[in-house]
Amino acid sequence: EAQVTQNPRYLITVTGKKLTVTCSQNMNHEYMSWYRQDPGLGLRQIYYSMNVEVTDKGDVPEGYKVSRKEKRNFPLILESPSPNQTSLYFCASRPRGQKLTAHHSPLHFGNGTRLTVT
Amino acid sequence: ELKVEQNPLFLSMQEGKNYTIYCNYSTTSDRLYWYRQDPGKSLESLFVLLSNGAVKQEGRLMASLDTKARLSTLHITAAVHDLSATYFCAPGGSQGNLIFGKGTKLSVKP
Repeated sequence: EAQVTQNPRYLITVTGKKLTVTCSQNMNHEYMSWYRQDPGLGLRQIYYSMNVEVTDKGDVPEGYKVSRKEKRNFPLILESPSPNQTSLYFCASRPRGQKLTAHHSPLHFGNGTRLTVT
Repeated sequence: ELKVEQNPLFLSMQEGKNYTIYCNYSTTSDRLYWYRQDPGKSLESLFVLLSNGAVKQEGRLMASLDTKARLSTLHITAAVHDLSATYFCAPGGSQGNLIFGKGTKLSVKP
C-alpha cells in the first residue's frame, strides 16, 4: 500500500531533550515536506526537500533540522525542544518532475505526530 | 510571497442547506488543491484544479477556480452530517510547495 509513515504518533517530552520524528514514504517521491498544524494557524511549512541531499527552509524553520540522505526518508530533528514546539506535525510527499502529472500531483500526508513539550 | 485567505473559518450548517467556502490567494499560481481533514486525522486530497474555469465535482462538493480573480470556491449542496470536517485550500507555490489556508471548520447539524 502506498503510504507516508510517521513515527511516533504521540510523543511527550521535556524541554531540551533532543528528539527525532521519522518519516518514510514508499512511493519513490522526490519531494518531501514537514508541516506543523496549530489551532487558528492552519498548516505551516517547516522544511522541504526537492530530492536527496537537497533541503530548504519553509516558513517556520527555527528550532528544527532535517536531513535527506535517502529518497524514502525525511526525519525531523528537534535538537532542543521548547514548549512552543508543542504541535501536530505532518510529513508529506509528492512526485516531482518534468511531467505535468508529477507537477500537479497532490501531497500525500502521513497520519501525524502529536508532540507535547513540557 | 503567496498568501491564502479562506472564508469563513467556521461554518455551522443545517442538513439540506447549501453553502460556499471561499479561498482567495495573493499571487499567480498554476494549480490549487482542496483537502479535507477529519478531527484527529490526516489530510485527504479532494480536488486538484489546474486551469481557469476548472470545475470538479464529487458527490455534494463542487470546486471551481478563477485564476484571474485568484479565487477558488468549494460549494456544498444539500449538506449532510458526514461532510462535517475541516476543509483547506492550498494553491501551489513557486518551489513546488503548497501554501495552505487556515481552514474552514464545517459543522453540519440535523
